[in-house]
Amino acid sequence: EAGVAQSPRYKIIEKRQSVAFWCNPISGHATLYWYQQILGQGPKLLIQFQNNGVVDDSQLPKDRFSAERLKGVDSTLKIQPAKLEDSAVYLCASTRRGLPPDTQYFGPGTRLTVL
Amino acid sequence: KNEVEQSPQNLTAQEGEFITINCSYSVGISALHWLQQHPGGGIVSLFMLSSGKKKHGRLIATINIQEKHSSLHITASHPRDSAVYICADPPCHQGAQKLVFGQGTRLTINP
Repeated sequence: EAGVAQSPRYKIIEKRQSVAFWCNPISGHATLYWYQQILGQGPKLLIQFQNNGVVDDSQLPKDRFSAERLKGVDSTLKIQPAKLEDSAVYLCASTRRGLPPDTQYFGPGTRLTVL
Repeated sequence: KNEVEQSPQNLTAQEGEFITINCSYSVGISALHWLQQHPGGGIVSLFMLSSGKKKHGRLIATINIQEKHSSLHITASHPRDSAVYICADPPCHQGAQKLVFGQGTRLTINP
């Protein structure tokens, strides 16, 4: 079974620029998560999708972050405009149903550096 | 508010030593996760347990529901075990699997 795919792996931009990340979850997984992990901290949930609907986006800074999963499969996360404090690893994860005891499978992450 | 605390934050040991990483959480759980994150960011799920003990190779995870405490043990540690180990907890009352992560324990095993 192929894992969660993310691209790009690394991205360097200047502040106020825009950036987009892509995630393709494991085939058949209904639930998709985007996490932000700042250096030295554990991941923080940004948004959770169940198929193509948003389950939880309470910690998503909606003034600059947006995410979509239009067809209920792959997803994009966008930051516009980026700030220095957005430098982090952005992790995508998926689960089959989004209910315990499902295992969350994580992608390799996209490391964003904002200069 | 659910909080997940790990200790120690950093741990350095010699190859072959027995390693213990601790995790405490504040809200009742359905299943606690232990994750491993290697340099470069990729996260691998090691265990998901709701009671007792689970073992996989040299890794052992235990949980005490009454004390809201879990431990991850590594026997005969090896330099390739060097990574950040994270525990994560989905609070029962939230239903869907929204994980709250500890800050991680950075483990370094020296040869």
